[in-house]
Amino acid sequence: QVQLVESGGGLVKPGGSLRLSCAASGFTFSDYYMIWIRQAPGKGLESVSYISGSGTTIYYGDSVKGRFTISRDNAKNSLYLQMNSLKAEDTAVYYCAKRGPQRSFDYWGQGTLVTVSS
Amino acid sequence: EIVLTQSPGTLSLSPGERATLSCRASQSVSSSYLAWFQQKPGQAPRLLIYGASSRATGIPDRFSGSGSGTDFTLTISRLEPEDFAVYYCQQYGSSLYSFGQGTKLEIK
Repeated sequence: QVQLVESGGGLVKPGGSLRLSCAASGFTFSDYYMIWIRQAPGKGLESVSYISGSGTTIYYGDSVKGRFTISRDNAKNSLYLQMNSLKAEDTAVYYCAKRGPQRSFDYWGQGTLVTVSS
Repeated sequence: EIVLTQSPGTLSLSPGERATLSCRASQSVSSSYLAWFQQKPGQAPRLLIYGASSRATGIPDRFSGSGSGTDFTLTISRLEPEDFAVYYCQQYGSSLYSFGQGTKLEIK
């Protein structure tokens, strides 16, 4: 069965960096777009970044452009999000998700909490 | 960027009743790329509907989606206790994904 497991979250000071990982299993990882979606405490969902199966197509939301870098290692079935110059407003649960039918997201990880605070 | 507005913000109903949730887009959305998710406290969202009206795997048939253009609806025909949650619509267009702000479905 499909499993997505995020890791790497934690407490970091403003201006700091963090690298999130998402370990995938149960499907042919390289065949699918993957996405990072975040949810600030008590708030809604926001698309952060997505990457094609080959890694050649990448998108960033305006709020993270220039600060975050998405990547993947298909040999390791892993997705990454390098987050630099973190701000308080980046505090959120970060989910990785697999793109499903018709540009939806059919499988999600359990999320990893990133807290940016001094 | 297409903005999705969901209404109502909170919907109070009783088990067995019918729920109708609305998602309105600021400009026309391809029906192929409109989805609905359910999220319960402390859990990741779960895909309910994709392509505006297709149920995802394992989703009960009391959930249905409809609509086109700028107006989309999620209907739950007879509410079960486990259906009380927050619901989000999501669209994809011009290489961008966006979500509505959510509708909280609470027990009356």
